Amino acid sequence: GDSVTQMEGPVTLSEEAFLTINCTYTATGYPSLFWYVQYPGEGLQLLLKATKADDKGSNKGFEATYRKETTSFHLEKGSVQVSDSAVYFCALSFLPNFGNEKLTFGTGTRLTIIP
Amino acid sequence: GAGVSQSPRYKVTKRGQDVALRCDPISGHVSLYWYRQALGQGPEFLTYFNYEAQQDKSGLPNDRFSAERPEGSISTLTIQRTEQRDSAMYRCASSSILDTQYFGPGTRLTVL
Repeated sequence: GDSVTQMEGPVTLSEEAFLTINCTYTATGYPSLFWYVQYPGEGLQLLLKATKADDKGSNKGFEATYRKETTSFHLEKGSVQVSDSAVYFCALSFLPNFGNEKLTFGTGTRLTIIP
Repeated sequence: GAGVSQSPRYKVTKRGQDVALRCDPISGHVSLYWYRQALGQGPEFLTYFNYEAQQDKSGLPNDRFSAERPEGSISTLTIQRTEQRDSAMYRCASSSILDTQYFGPGTRLTVL
C-alpha cells in the first residue's frame, strides 16, 4: 500500500541553522505531496504542497520539491527560528481524484530550535 | 466559527462505555474526514464523507466504530464498548471538492 517514510526525530538545531527533514514515499501512481505542521497545543496546519513532479511548494521560508525520480519531498529552510519549533508531518494523497483524497501520513518529526 | 471545531476536546471514559465524538466542519465544505492519531505517530485515516454519503470506511478498525453525517454538515464518530486500545487523538478535517484538508483541534480520548 501507499506509505510515507520521514526522518526520525527529535531534531534539535540552533537558531539560524539550516534545516532539512527528509521524506520519501511509496505509492502506485503519482500522488500529491504535503507537509503539515503541528505547533504546541494546536491542530495540524498545512504548511506547503506540490501536486506534480518538479513542483516546488513554499511557505513561511520553508520549501520542498517533488522529486519523482527519487520519490522524495524533503523539507528545507535556510534559517530556522525558535517559532519553528513544532512537529512536522509529510503526507500524500491522490488529490485531485474525487473519491480518493485521504491523506497518508508519515510518523512526524519533532523539531526544537534553541536560541 | 471560521475553522473546524471538535467536541469534546478531552474525553475520559471507562472501558465498555460508548462515546460519541463530534465534528463541525468549515461552512460549505463538502468533504469531511476522520483520522486517528496514536502518541508519537502520524494520523491514520478512518473514514470520509462527501455531503452525507460515506465514501470510504476502509480505515475503521472494527465494527465498534461507526460514523455518520446525516445532513451533510456535522459528523459524529461513535465508538461502542470502548477498549483501552481505543485511546488516541481523534482528528477531523474538512475540505472543498478537490482541495486542501483543514484540520480541527482534535479530541483526546482516554479509556481507563
